[in-house]
Amino acid sequence: GQSLEQPSEVTAVEGAIVQINCTYQTSGFYGLSWYQQHDGGAPTFLSYNGLDGLEETGRFSSFLSRSDSYGYLLLQELQMKDSASYFCAVRDPTGFQKLVFGTGTRLLVSP
Amino acid sequence: DAGVTQSPTHLIKTRGQQVTLRCSPKSGHDTVSWYQQALGQGPQFIFQYYEEEERQRGNFPDRFSGHQFPNYSSELNVNALLLGDSALYLCASSLETNQITGELFFGEGSRLTVL
Repeated sequence: GQSLEQPSEVTAVEGAIVQINCTYQTSGFYGLSWYQQHDGGAPTFLSYNGLDGLEETGRFSSFLSRSDSYGYLLLQELQMKDSASYFCAVRDPTGFQKLVFGTGTRLLVSP
Repeated sequence: DAGVTQSPTHLIKTRGQQVTLRCSPKSGHDTVSWYQQALGQGPQFIFQYYEEEERQRGNFPDRFSGHQFPNYSSELNVNALLLGDSALYLCASSLETNQITGELFFGEGSRLTVL
């Protein structure tokens, strides 16, 4: 099967930079995605890495190393509104349509 | 452009009852997936519908069933409810032609409490 591990919680202050790590084990790999979910809200898609390297989207960047089965989400210039849960996810190789999510990292941004 | 809408937002049932949750996908999307999210956990895949057929299923018992209608909307049915079925049920829509990136559009979910 597939499994993804993330730290359960990360804390930071406004304006800082934070990195949320994700390590995965999967028999086949079709890229790593990241989602953000505020309390009581819907998960929203942030990024996708299909190849090794860094993808940048505004204040958020995501990195992938397929050889290390590792990726991370980098959040810069943190704002209070970034307080949320962040999930990494991989596509299950047994079926293209199924996403397997990590356990999630709760990010708390303080003033 | 309406996003993914789900109903009801909250509901309370007792053990043994049955529940039906509804989902309207984002305009233009043809694929609907259902996920269960327990408190403090990541979403877990239940099944996916495309062209009114269940295309793939996760590790959920047959008590969980679904349907997709010609207008792409979908229902999730759970029979013989157990306490452990208490969770947030998320519907996600996507385009069949955009399965590679894993970009799903989620609704805000239906919070089910089983007493």
